[in-house]
Order: sequence, then C-alpha cells, then structure tokens
Amino acid sequence: KQEVTQIPAALSVPEGENLVLNCSFTDSAIYNLQWFRQDPGKGLTSLLLIQSSQREQTSGRLNASLDKSSGRSTLYIAASQPGDSATYLCAVTGGGADGLTFGKGTHLIIQP
Amino acid sequence: GAVVSQHPSWVICKSGTSVKIECRSLDFQATTMFWYRQFPKQSLMLMATSNEGSKATYEQGVEKDKFLINHASLTLSTLTVTSAHPEDSSFYICSANPEYRGRRTEAFFGQGTRLTVV
Repeated sequence: KQEVTQIPAALSVPEGENLVLNCSFTDSAIYNLQWFRQDPGKGLTSLLLIQSSQREQTSGRLNASLDKSSGRSTLYIAASQPGDSATYLCAVTGGGADGLTFGKGTHLIIQP
Repeated sequence: GAVVSQHPSWVICKSGTSVKIECRSLDFQATTMFWYRQFPKQSLMLMATSNEGSKATYEQGVEKDKFLINHASLTLSTLTVTSAHPEDSSFYICSANPEYRGRRTEAFFGQGTRLTVV
C-alpha cells in the first residue's frame, strides 16, 4: 500500500526566504505526482504536476523535482510571500485510472 | 485550468437524514471522478472512484450502502450520505482529471463540502 510522508509538518519563516518542502513515497511505481495548496476550509489548488518520466516542473516561483527511484519529491518556493501561507499537499497516483494518495501536508506560515 | 464545481459548500443536517453532494466538471467530460474525505488535521483519504455508467469502486473500509455514488452523465457525479450520523461529519471533496491526447492530466478539485451532522 502506497504511503506518502511530508516533512516538515509545519514551517514558519520570515517573508523573502527561499524554502524547501519534502515529500517521500514508499512505492516508486507511480503514474504522476502532484503538489497542491489548501487554504483553511477550502478546496485544493493544483500547483504542479510531474509525470513519472519527468524530473522537474516549474511555475513562477515554484519548482518541484521528482526522483522516482528514491521515492522523493521536493517543492522549492523562492522569495516567499505572506500570501504563500497555506497547507501544501503532495499526492501520488499509481495509474491512469487511480485516485490520489496524499501526504498529511506541510502547514506553512510566512511572517510579514 | 479546468473547473470542477461542488455543491453545496456546507450543509448541516439532523442525525438519520440523508445528504446529497454534487460534483460537476464544467468544461470537460469526466468518465471517472473521485471522492475524498478529510477529517480535521488529517490528510485527504480516497473514499471511492465514480465511474460513468457503471458501479463505483469503493476503498477498503468505506461502506457502499452508506455512501451512495451515482455517475449518471459525463459531467456529474453525486455522493449521497445516507442515514447520516455525527461521526460522518467531515469535509468531502471531489476531483476529476481532464484528458489530453489520451493521457490523464492533473487532478482538479471541487471546493469541498463541509458536512456537519447534529
């Protein structure tokens, strides 16, 4: 059974810092990996999707990497802003017709 | 990106009643949709896979007679929580994936439904 772990569980940093969120998964046979942000009481916003054949994806200040063989992904946030405060979730799927397995998330606070 | 709309965003119901939650893909067709549940301070857990025109597939430990799923069209899936009890209070959220050139793309989520059973 796939298990996804996210470290750290919580992180608080001053505005402007660069930071890295970590995600690991136990079964390397994934179809893709996706990073989301979730604001309190809200749905999920997709940030980046990495297909199993890809090594990284970039969108604006966000960069996600994938090392499938070691079961790891990182989300890099550059020049953090207070608006980046949210819970960041990592999720993987094992096949094209499968649902996602989520980590518990990293609760991020960016201090103004 | 694609849009998935979920309704209602919150509902309060009495114990023993049933509640229906709708999930719609607004700008793409979805033969498959997914339903998740999230308890406070916990991660999202997949409950079931909704399949257009056929029976849903439930994850282990999810009661199919309690959580009825109907996927009657390519843009609509519904989740009905039957005979709801306080322990069913949770955040329910659906997702769907558009396809591009025959390959499933990223998952898009609805806004979620906060269910409170009193």
